[in-house]
Amino acid sequence: ETGVTQSPTHLIKTRGQQVTLRCSSQSGHNTVSWYQQALGQGPQFIFQYYREEENGRGNFPPRFSGLQFPNYSSELNVNALELDDSALYLCASSVGQGVTPKTQYFGPGTRLLVL
Amino acid sequence: AQRVTQPEKLLSVFKGAPVELKCNYSYSGSPELFWYVQYSRQRLQLLLRHISRESIKGFTADLNKGETSFHLKKPFAQEEDSAMYYCALRGGSYKLIFGSGTRLLVRP
Repeated sequence: ETGVTQSPTHLIKTRGQQVTLRCSSQSGHNTVSWYQQALGQGPQFIFQYYREEENGRGNFPPRFSGLQFPNYSSELNVNALELDDSALYLCASSVGQGVTPKTQYFGPGTRLLVL
Repeated sequence: AQRVTQPEKLLSVFKGAPVELKCNYSYSGSPELFWYVQYSRQRLQLLLRHISRESIKGFTADLNKGETSFHLKKPFAQEEDSAMYYCALRGGSYKLIFGSGTRLLVRP
């Protein structure tokens, strides 16, 4: 198994609340991408961080925000939760800026349920 | 618009039968395509890339720009091939665009 870990594994929140999801990258990886995977759908790109800076964003509103720390671990924050935010959230770490599937490893995901 | 379409949610075949998982894409530039696989209780992982023209676990995929397709094929399915398969397109320099996935079930 790869070294990408995510916490928590499961989470239940109510509408309007805020949530923070965490991702620990594979050792030596300096890029992290976050994806949202709704039930029955493929992963949808949220944003990517490279060396602590956001360098790409998908079609998600500003209430989805992130951080990458000097040790390259990362957080995904979602404010004002909506029912449609219920999904599996995946992080993926890789080496170098941009998309490098050959070096990219996915975490196991955090399943968020918004009631 | 950039889009990946996998028309089949479920594909069920018998062991030893040929497999073809369909993928069509929409992209205005020069596409770069991938297949990902997720086995039961495992993480999403890269299976193969069109640019490397490789065969992984007996699977191959050919990019057909005329038909805008990147179908995944295997001549003889094995039970261990049962998994969720996602086709993905590099949509710019930093993101992947995934299809909705096809569940392959290989029956004994």
